[in-house]
Amino acid sequence: ELKVEQNPLFLSMQEGKNYTIYCNYSTTSDRLYWYRQDPGKSLESLFVLLSNGAVKQEGRLMASLDTKARLSTLHITAAVHDLSATYFCAVDVVTQGGSEKLVFGKGTKLTVNP
Amino acid sequence: DAGVIQSPRHEVTEMGQEVTLRCKPISGHDYLFWYRQTMMRGLELLIYFNNNVPIDDSGMPEDRFSAKMPNASFSTLKIQPSEPRDSAVYFCASSSRTSSSYNEQFFGPGTRLTVL
Repeated sequence: ELKVEQNPLFLSMQEGKNYTIYCNYSTTSDRLYWYRQDPGKSLESLFVLLSNGAVKQEGRLMASLDTKARLSTLHITAAVHDLSATYFCAVDVVTQGGSEKLVFGKGTKLTVNP
Repeated sequence: DAGVIQSPRHEVTEMGQEVTLRCKPISGHDYLFWYRQTMMRGLELLIYFNNNVPIDDSGMPEDRFSAKMPNASFSTLKIQPSEPRDSAVYFCASSSRTSSSYNEQFFGPGTRLTVL
């Protein structure tokens, strides 16, 4: 069974600090997505990583993908309060039945404190 | 574009009643997905369609759940009869794999369902 594991699941950090969220997955895939969800809201697409070594950056967030290690990271630089949200990684997989779908991690709830 | 549109945004019903959730995907997207999100189980894919045809319904919990996509701009998820354990937020998402972002999915605002 495919597993997508994020850690940590809860992260409390101070403004101005750096931190990394990890997303490990258990099957072969070279496509991974990061989403953000604010409380009571929908999921917003942040990054699309479509090959080994892919790196994308937007503001204080940077995402990377290592398909050989089956690992993606979401790095936060100099955190600000507005980054407080839950972050999900999602792995694009092909099932035994031949369908293709995203499998989501449980999410990392990030709280940035002043 | 207006994005993915879902209705209703909130639904409160009593156990045993029929519930119908509606979704309009982004125009031009040929994939449509229904997800359910709960604290206990996280985000689960229920079913998805390609060009209005159901491709994978392995996530549909049981026969009480059914989904249809009669045309490219409309889909429904029906629960009959509803049970308290169906209480969750139901998201609809759409994508176009012809785009450079491949399977990047765009989510609607969700329907918060409460079954009493």
